[in-house]
Amino acid sequence: NAGVTQTPKFQVLKTGQSMTLQCAQDMNHNSMYWYRQDPGMGLRLIYYSASEGTTDKGEVPNGYNVSRLNKREFSLRLESAAPSQTSVYFCASSLGTASGEQYFGPGTRLTVT
Amino acid sequence: QKEVEQNSGPLSVPEGAIASLNCTYSDRGSQSFFWYRQYSGKSPELIMFIYSNGDKEDGRFTAQLNKASQYVSLLIRDSQPSDSATYLCAVNALTGANNLFFGTGTRLTVIP
Repeated sequence: NAGVTQTPKFQVLKTGQSMTLQCAQDMNHNSMYWYRQDPGMGLRLIYYSASEGTTDKGEVPNGYNVSRLNKREFSLRLESAAPSQTSVYFCASSLGTASGEQYFGPGTRLTVT
Repeated sequence: QKEVEQNSGPLSVPEGAIASLNCTYSDRGSQSFFWYRQYSGKSPELIMFIYSNGDKEDGRFTAQLNKASQYVSLLIRDSQPSDSATYLCAVNALTGANNLFFGTGTRLTVIP
């Protein structure tokens, strides 16, 4: 099992460009999450999907959109990238609402110039 | 007040010593508590979770929970240089898909 995979690993964007970060899990988990991690700020939740077909905003959703494509895949889209979105992005998954244990993907390091 | 607070460190201990990492949380209703280890440039890795008051041991790691004091700790016995990492404390939120609030982490360095 690969666990949680993310693509790409690194990305450089110019201000105003758009891109989609991809995430997939093969653990048959119901819930999936997108976080960003910035120095001194810790992990902050952007969006989450409690189950296939549902998505909800987290702590810092502005500037992002998500799609839960199926049970395995959860993508994060930046429609018009801004320098403030320079960060490391992590996708995570968990079995469901009864289990808080989350498992993380390897991350995407995004730089917006 | 942040939901989860940790001393950012750095915490330095000699090899073979006990490392003690602490975390406090603000929501008395929280039920689930997690410790993640994050090596530099890598993703967080779940190493311990605890749901009940008291101690939970797993190899060299012991998680301790005191809900009355809203306090969680992680002890690492016989610390090794490979334990050098940032340790993140996480606490479940009472909303969403059992979402987690994360502390900013404590950086641990084990000196050979």
